[in-house]
Amino acid sequence: DQQVKQNSPSLSVQEGRISILNCDYTNSMFDYFLWYKKYPAEGPTFLISISSIKDKNEDGRFTVFLNKSAKHLSLHIVPSQPGDSAVYFCASGGSYIPTFGRGTSLIVHP
Amino acid sequence: DSGVTQTPKHLITATGQRVTLRCSPRSGDLSVYWYQQSLDQGLQFLIHYYNGEERAKGNILERFSAQQFPDLHSELNLSSLELGDSALYFCASSGGTSGRADEQFFGPGTRLTVL
Repeated sequence: DQQVKQNSPSLSVQEGRISILNCDYTNSMFDYFLWYKKYPAEGPTFLISISSIKDKNEDGRFTVFLNKSAKHLSLHIVPSQPGDSAVYFCASGGSYIPTFGRGTSLIVHP
Repeated sequence: DSGVTQTPKHLITATGQRVTLRCSPRSGDLSVYWYQQSLDQGLQFLIHYYNGEERAKGNILERFSAQQFPDLHSELNLSSLELGDSALYFCASSGGTSGRADEQFFGPGTRLTVL
């Protein structure tokens, strides 16, 4: 049973537009979430995180929103750039065993 | 470059064999995590070591074992290999306090192919 779910395996966006990647979780005890980006033939790299005491965290073009009541988080990338094309993983962390979603492949078209 | 190194990069072996994957964490990081990524699957957490001690176990098979040495490098041992063990194996390190899965720094992975 997946405790962290990314239901969209892929997303295609035009350069300059907003990319919205979604993630759902089932364990209400999760208190910390992270997003990682992965290019082919490389390991994932940390992008941004959010604690359950917040509902938003922003870092440059990247913003993560957390809706605890819906057990849902989303990653917004504005504006999207071709270099953002990668697989994005949502993960739970903090004091619990890290659990990753299956990833969403983002393609940003020039 | 994350600062985490993994060797070997590729490994091809036969069913029934045993292999050892090696990971060196970022300088100063005490936590090492191991993950398995099979085709179309997310990263499956295997095991977490903190400063030489096992901290958490995920869906790690009994045929798999790991350890972290005094110099903090870690090894993942896979034995009695089966075709289904073919996957990418990632190691990650973290400077967070024991037991917390904070921001992790991933190595480039070891691609294991079992024939």
